[in-house]
Amino acid sequence: AQSVAQPEDQVNVAEGNPLTVKCTYSVSGNPYLFWYVQYPNRGLQFLLKYITGDNLVKGSYGFEAEFNKSQTSFHLKKPSALVSDSALYFCAVRGMGNTDKLIFGTGTRLQVFP
Amino acid sequence: DAGVIQSPRHEVTEMGQEVTLRCKPISGHDYLFWYRQTMMRGLELLIYFNNNVPIDDSGMPEDRFSAKMPNASFSTLKIQPSEPRDSAVYFCASSKGQVNSPLHFGNGTRLTVT
Repeated sequence: AQSVAQPEDQVNVAEGNPLTVKCTYSVSGNPYLFWYVQYPNRGLQFLLKYITGDNLVKGSYGFEAEFNKSQTSFHLKKPSALVSDSALYFCAVRGMGNTDKLIFGTGTRLQVFP
Repeated sequence: DAGVIQSPRHEVTEMGQEVTLRCKPISGHDYLFWYRQTMMRGLELLIYFNNNVPIDDSGMPEDRFSAKMPNASFSTLKIQPSEPRDSAVYFCASSKGQVNSPLHFGNGTRLTVT
């Protein structure tokens, strides 16, 4: 069975500092991995995805994520956080089977302080 | 591209009433998904369609919930009769292809059942 875990309910970081939002997954075979962001009263917005290839994936708004197969992780990172990055971040995973569904994590609230 | 359009944005109704949520996916997208978001349960997939055909409705909570997609540009999620525990934000999302395509979410319908 597929699953995804976001171990931190909230991450606090000062503006200008690097940020990391953690995600680990479990799936049979190779995964498709995604990060989404949700601002208040809005739907989720796609940030980036890993399908195959380079383990470091670059996405929107300066975010990037590193796929680590041995640790089954896909942590979201940004070198320098902005106050405007404050939002709810979701990791999602899907297996490669035709019947596999996209499973979302429980979300991590990122708070960037000025 | 107008994005995924959901209506209404807010719905307040009394227990026992019928509720209909509407969604217009992005033109050209062949997959449509209905999700429910609550604090307790996070983001849950209720049902998804491919080319207007329901593929997996295993996430639909019970028979009170039904969803239709009469054509490629319109879908409804109906709850009859509604109950207070149905209070949540309901999201519609669409994608072109499924396997590694990002989902495009609407801004959701916040449903309150009193």
